Amino acid sequence: QQQVKQSPQSLIVQKGGISIINCAYENTAFDYFPWYQQFPGKGPALLIAIRPDVSEKKEGRFTISFNKSAKQFSLHIMDSQPGDSATYFCAASRGDKIIFGKGTRLHILP
Amino acid sequence: NAGVMQNPRHLVRRRGQEARLRCSPMKGHSHVYWYRQLPEEGLKFMVYLQKENIIDESGMPKERFSAEFPKEGPSILRIQQVVRGDSAAYFCASSPPTGITDTQYFGPGTRLTVL
Repeated sequence: QQQVKQSPQSLIVQKGGISIINCAYENTAFDYFPWYQQFPGKGPALLIAIRPDVSEKKEGRFTISFNKSAKQFSLHIMDSQPGDSATYFCAASRGDKIIFGKGTRLHILP
Repeated sequence: NAGVMQNPRHLVRRRGQEARLRCSPMKGHSHVYWYRQLPEEGLKFMVYLQKENIIDESGMPKERFSAEFPKEGPSILRIQQVVRGDSAAYFCASSPPTGITDTQYFGPGTRLTVL
């Protein structure tokens, strides 16, 4: 079965620090790797996404690093803020079906 | 420009009743997806629909669950004879027409509680 493995399950980071969440996938046919942010009681919101033809994508404080040979990708949140406290899901897709990781609950200490 | 809309936001049903969850995609989007999220879990794909067509229902339980996306009106996820294990958050997502379908936009979800 296609899987996306995400770690850690939970993460606590001091304000101003760097939050790092890692994901690994199995199916080399995946060609789109989005990250979603979800606040309690809300739906997931697309945060940033990358395709396998690039190794890094940066949008503001958020960066995706992608290692195609290792089949791994990670989300880095620079200068983490209390407002970043949420659950983050990595995902992988080919075409229309998105496979989600189980999520990382991030808490930024003020 | 309204986003994906879902209603109701919260739904309480007793075992054996039917649950109907509605989803209106973003304007201009013709693809709808339903996902289920259990506590402390990621989202699990259930079904993918286009207008009047079910494209992929590989994630749907074989019994009691059905989905439709009629020519007019919202997409409906229907759960018959609900059981306690159906309690979850159900999210709908939509995407633009073919060619850029991998970017999905999610609604706020319907939280179903089965008593």
